[in-house]
Amino acid sequence: DAGVTQSPTHLIKTRGQHVTLRCSPISGHKSVSWYQQVLGQGPQFIFQYYEKEERGRGNFPDRFSARQFPNYSSELNVNALLLGDSALYLCASSLGQGRYEQYFGPGTRLTVT
Amino acid sequence: AQRVTQPEKLLSVFKGAPVELKCNYSYSGSPELFWYVQYSRQRLQLLLRHISRESIKGFTADLNKGETSFHLKKPFAQEEDSAMYYCALPNYGGSQGNLIFGKGTKLSVKP
Repeated sequence: DAGVTQSPTHLIKTRGQHVTLRCSPISGHKSVSWYQQVLGQGPQFIFQYYEKEERGRGNFPDRFSARQFPNYSSELNVNALLLGDSALYLCASSLGQGRYEQYFGPGTRLTVT
Repeated sequence: AQRVTQPEKLLSVFKGAPVELKCNYSYSGSPELFWYVQYSRQRLQLLLRHISRESIKGFTADLNKGETSFHLKKPFAQEEDSAMYYCALPNYGGSQGNLIFGKGTKLSVKP
């Protein structure tokens, strides 16, 4: 198993643009969570999806949205990009339902100029 | 509110020396805690979970509810242990996919 995969690896966008990040979980995992990691900080929770439904949302503005597909892959969308959105975006998958341990992808490095 | 504190941004030790990375948490119940490690240019990896009480790569961590701590220890550090280490606590007030991370400690093991 390749583990959690994310695409793209790197992305450069301009302020005001929109971005879509993609994630495929480990086979058999039905839960996907998204985190933002800025330099010098630990990952900060953005969203969790389980069985295609949003199960949790962190303290992020409505410019951030996500969805999960029938094959359990997920997309994170960010609209009206700000310079402060520059960060490493991590996707993590887990079995869900009482299992807290999560397995992370390599991340997407987003740079907003 | 729940939080995780890792008081040291950087910890530097010599090869063969003991190492202890500190983690304190705020939660009134019995938490399930994790240590994650990120080696240079690699993804964040699960190193330890306290409920399994296993030792991975020579590292152990004991939950001390009285001190609300979950310090990571290794008796003899190796150069390949150099990495960023993060302590994490589930957000029991949120969804199960919500881990609260500390800011991390960078461990540097010198030859």
